[in-house]
Amino acid sequence: EAGVAQSPRYKIIEKRQSVAFWCNPISGHATLYWYQQILGQGPKLLIQFQNNGVVDDSQLPKDRFSAERLKGVDSTLKIQPAKLEDSAVYLCASSLGRSSYEQYFGPGTRLTVT
Amino acid sequence: GEDVEQSLFLSVREGDSSVINCTYTDSSSTYLYWYKQEPGAGLQLLTYIFSNMDMKQDQRLTVLLNKKDKHLSLRIADTQTGDSAIYFCAGKTSYDKVIFGPGTSLSVIP
Repeated sequence: EAGVAQSPRYKIIEKRQSVAFWCNPISGHATLYWYQQILGQGPKLLIQFQNNGVVDDSQLPKDRFSAERLKGVDSTLKIQPAKLEDSAVYLCASSLGRSSYEQYFGPGTRLTVT
Repeated sequence: GEDVEQSLFLSVREGDSSVINCTYTDSSSTYLYWYKQEPGAGLQLLTYIFSNMDMKQDQRLTVLLNKKDKHLSLRIADTQTGDSAIYFCAGKTSYDKVIFGPGTSLSVIP
C-alpha cells in the first residue's frame, strides 16, 4: 500500500513570496490533515478535511494560509505572502475517518523562508 | 486549552532501558500515542493506548497510563542505537483532534 505522498520535499523562498505544497493521501482515506512542525516543537494542526469539507481550521492563519481538497482526494496548502516565522516542516497526514485511531504521515516538506 | 508536556532530552547506554515520560491536561482524551521521528522523516506511530487501559506491552515497548495523574510513559527495553530518534507523546481529544507534545530526543550511547 502506497503511503502519503508530499511534494516538494524542500523549498527555499524569500519572505513575501508565495509557495504551495501538495499532498496525496492513502487511497480511500477520507480525512486529511495538514500540520506545521517548527524546529524543536511538536506538530501543530493547521487544518483538517473530511472528504472535501473543512472540519477544523481554527489554527490556520487565514490571512496568509489557504488550503483546499477539491475532489476529496489530494490537497494543496498555500502560503501567500510568506513570513520568516513560516519556516517549518509541513506534514500531511491521512486517516480512514475522523474517529480512526491512526493517522499516517507523509515525509513532510521543509520550508525555509529567508 | 489542551497541552502535552515532555522532557526534551534523554540519554541512555545501549542495552539499558529507556523511560520517556509525558503529562497531558485533557482528561477526556480517548487515545494516547507515542510517535517516533527519525531525522528527515515523517512521524511513525509506535504504539497507542486507549484511555480505559492502564498498560500495553508490545515487544520491547511498554506503555503505562495513569489517568488520575494524567501521566503517560513509554519504556523501551534493551535500547539499541537504532532507537535514537525524537519521541512524541500525543493525545486525541474528545472531538478527534490530536495534540502533540514537544518531543523527547533520545540519544543511545554505544
